[in-house]
Amino acid sequence: SQQGEEDPQALSIQEGENATMNCSYKTSINNLQWYRQNSGRGLVHLILIRSNEREKHSGRLRVTLDTSKKSSSLLITASRAADTASYFCATDGETSGSRLTFGEGTQLTVNP
Amino acid sequence: DAMVIQNPRYQVTQFGKPVTLSCSQTLNHNVMYWYQQKSSQAPKLLFHYYDKDFNNEADTPDNFQSRRPNTSFCFLDIRSPGLGDAAMYLCATSRATLAFIQYFGAGTRLSVL
Repeated sequence: SQQGEEDPQALSIQEGENATMNCSYKTSINNLQWYRQNSGRGLVHLILIRSNEREKHSGRLRVTLDTSKKSSSLLITASRAADTASYFCATDGETSGSRLTFGEGTQLTVNP
Repeated sequence: DAMVIQNPRYQVTQFGKPVTLSCSQTLNHNVMYWYQQKSSQAPKLLFHYYDKDFNNEADTPDNFQSRRPNTSFCFLDIRSPGLGDAAMYLCATSRATLAFIQYFGAGTRLSVL
């Protein structure tokens, strides 16, 4: 069963605004990753945060992790129309081995 | 310089007619995965190979099979496709030393008529 839940399911913003997506999970994790998927394409890895990290940055992306609340957030700053995509969180835990469990995803639309 | 290549990008088959989807990789990753993704849903793991070891998910129908003849190639066989098997099929690779970050192919869109 899917461990991750994301909210919102859909988000529509204007170019230049910030976009925040949230992910919650149920069991202990080793790492949490965020992926992006453009329509009709495969997923692309964006960023990984380890369970002992609280925040990580990569370009316009900022990821936070709160293991006490079993939640993570992805912030995209100064959004662009090209950021329009679905965003998925994915977790791996102590019992998942080489598997990832994906959240249901957030569909982000950035309007020019 | 695509690293995970899926062929074909679009596949049309008939109800009940066996179909094979292929995936190849140039990353030399030891883990290869097959996912099924339906519209607006998360990818659903069907099975994966860790080296030569096959790992099937408990809820993957017997209709779905996989082969991995060598490190670079992996195939998804659908023995008798039903209308409900129409979906995007995604192949991905990873390796343990990279925290199992997964690299995805562009996917094969399967239509069942």
